[in-house]
Amino acid sequence: EAGVTQFPSHSVIEKGQTVTLRCDPISGHDNLYWYRRVMGKEIKFLLHFVKESKQDESGMPNNRFLAERTGGTYSTLKVQPAELEDSGVYFCASNRGGADTQYFGPGTRLTVL
Amino acid sequence: SQKIEQNSEALNIQEGKTATLTCNYTNYSPAYLQWYRQDPGRGPVFLLLIRENEKEKRKERLKVTFDTTLKQSLFHITASQPADSATYLCALPNTGGFKTIFGAGTRLFVKA
Repeated sequence: EAGVTQFPSHSVIEKGQTVTLRCDPISGHDNLYWYRRVMGKEIKFLLHFVKESKQDESGMPNNRFLAERTGGTYSTLKVQPAELEDSGVYFCASNRGGADTQYFGPGTRLTVL
Repeated sequence: SQKIEQNSEALNIQEGKTATLTCNYTNYSPAYLQWYRQDPGRGPVFLLLIRENEKEKRKERLKVTFDTTLKQSLFHITASQPADSATYLCALPNTGGFKTIFGAGTRLFVKA
């Protein structure tokens, strides 16, 4: 089966611009997660979807970040307006309901100049 | 708050030797613990999961131990190979939720 895919792989934008990251989970996986790794730090949880519903968004840094998962398939994470501290690698992961292990995508490296 | 500590210093070993990585956690009693591997430019890849009632788990050349009294897990790679060079992440589920908490990872270098 195809793995988790993310687009784009890299994005370089200027402070104040908007960027939208996309994640396509493994087919049939109801759970979808977003994580972020800022340079030199550990991977940190952002939010969790169960199908199209946000189950936990306690890790979202602030209201400049908006995640959606319309139809319970792919998800987007929009950053508007982007700030310098938003730079990092954004990972998406998915799994089936009740599963412990998550399957990660390759990540999107975001650089805000 | 829940905290995971992994040795931030890189581990350098010779091919054929056993690599041992440590994961310590505090303020926490997880139901299970996971180890992931991450290569540069890639996402984490699941390796092993060990539950709180298991002392040890093996998969090919990998072995994980879980000491809930010490709040520590050890990850061993026996007969290490240069291809084992990567960053290894310890991960725990947060209390009462689906959130996964990651350690910062330990970079392993295996020299031929």
